[in-house]
Amino acid sequence: NAGVTQTPKFQVLKTGQSMTLQCAQDMNHNSMYWYRQDPGMGLRLIYYSASEGTTDKGEVPNGYNVSRLNKREFSLRLESAAPSQTSVYFCASSATGTYSGNTIYFGEGSWLTVV
Amino acid sequence: AQSVTQLGSHVSVSEGALVLLRCNYSSSVPPYLFWYVQYPNQGLQLLLKYTSAATLVKGINGFEAEFKKSETSFHLTKPSAHMSDAAEYFCAVSEEKDSSYKLIFGSGTRLLVRP
Repeated sequence: NAGVTQTPKFQVLKTGQSMTLQCAQDMNHNSMYWYRQDPGMGLRLIYYSASEGTTDKGEVPNGYNVSRLNKREFSLRLESAAPSQTSVYFCASSATGTYSGNTIYFGEGSWLTVV
Repeated sequence: AQSVTQLGSHVSVSEGALVLLRCNYSSSVPPYLFWYVQYPNQGLQLLLKYTSAATLVKGINGFEAEFKKSETSFHLTKPSAHMSDAAEYFCAVSEEKDSSYKLIFGSGTRLLVRP
């Protein structure tokens, strides 16, 4: 009963380093999302993929890139990490992008610190 | 664009007291609304959702929320707080664009339960 799995759970980076957050879901969902969570700001959407082969920018895409590798996997890449990217990152998925009432399921989160 | 406002970043109640967490939304179309709960160092879990079927929605762990269109509100309530309810609660509205949708979150309310 894995649901949405993210790796790594914790990571410390130096400013300027790059890294990729991996996400996979086993629910056969079409849509996948990356959010970041910062204190007092709730969750903000970075990028999303409505279906395999498509990606779109969310509210805070600067400094990030994504790849929808296949239906199951959606990765988030930080090309040159900055301290402002210190945050908790959540991957999520939902059944389809065409019905707004579908539940979005979240992973456990990845804690990223940039020093 | 849709938006969500959660009044009160922290709410403190005594065990056994009524829990009331406030959420107001802004939407140009009939909204789909969600409440998620986040326990410390965990991902988000769906509590309940409104998808226009009924204005009073019952969720898990004894929580319920009432959709009031005239007040643009979707407040979360529980008659009697339990220590295990201590967590952060997020209200969210679904936003659809170009046949895909995503969740727009409020800034969250941290519920503290006093013994």
